[in-house]
Amino acid sequence: QKEVEQNSGPLSVPEGAIASLNCTYSDRGSQSFFWYRQYSGKSPELIMSIYSNGDKEDGRFTAQLNKASQYVSLLIRDSQPSDSATYLCAVNNQAGTALIFGKGTTLSVSS
Amino acid sequence: GAGVSQSPSNKVTEKGKDVELRCDPISGHTALYWYRQSLGQGLEFLIYFQGNSAPDKSGLPSDRFSAERTGGSVSTLTIQRTQQEDSAVYLCASSLGGQDFLAAFFGQGTRLTVV
Repeated sequence: QKEVEQNSGPLSVPEGAIASLNCTYSDRGSQSFFWYRQYSGKSPELIMSIYSNGDKEDGRFTAQLNKASQYVSLLIRDSQPSDSATYLCAVNNQAGTALIFGKGTTLSVSS
Repeated sequence: GAGVSQSPSNKVTEKGKDVELRCDPISGHTALYWYRQSLGQGLEFLIYFQGNSAPDKSGLPSDRFSAERTGGSVSTLTIQRTQQEDSAVYLCASSLGGQDFLAAFFGQGTRLTVV
């Protein structure tokens, strides 16, 4: 069974700082990686996808992928209190038909 | 519609009753997924539909769970003889296909409580 592991947190950062969220996965053959944000009581919201080794930037968000280390991360620059949420890492399942989610890391940004 | 629509938003049912949950995906999205999220647990994949292909039912936890997708659009998840452990938020998602076919957009969910 493929696994996606995340530190549950909470990760606390001050407003304006960089938040770094990490995720490891067990299946070396994984090809598709996603980050979702979930506010309390709400459904997950897609933030970023990444498929190739290296960095992918979108606004204040940067996703980083290292397939050799089976590691994917999300950096949030200039963190805002509105970024306070649970961040879910997701990886494709073996059949390539759906995503396997980690349990998420809770981020708290203090003003 | 603009997003994935699910109904009802909340459902309270008695143990042993059957329930039906509905999902209307984003227009034009060919892939549709059902997940569930229990308190303190991660998102658990249930079933996947892609166009006219046979669905991937590998995530359904028991034969009490079934789902169908009519006309390539609306989907219904049915849980027969509900049990208390079925209590969870059931989330439907859809995706457009292509390279990002796994990039799924979620509905607001149906919170199911079995009493």
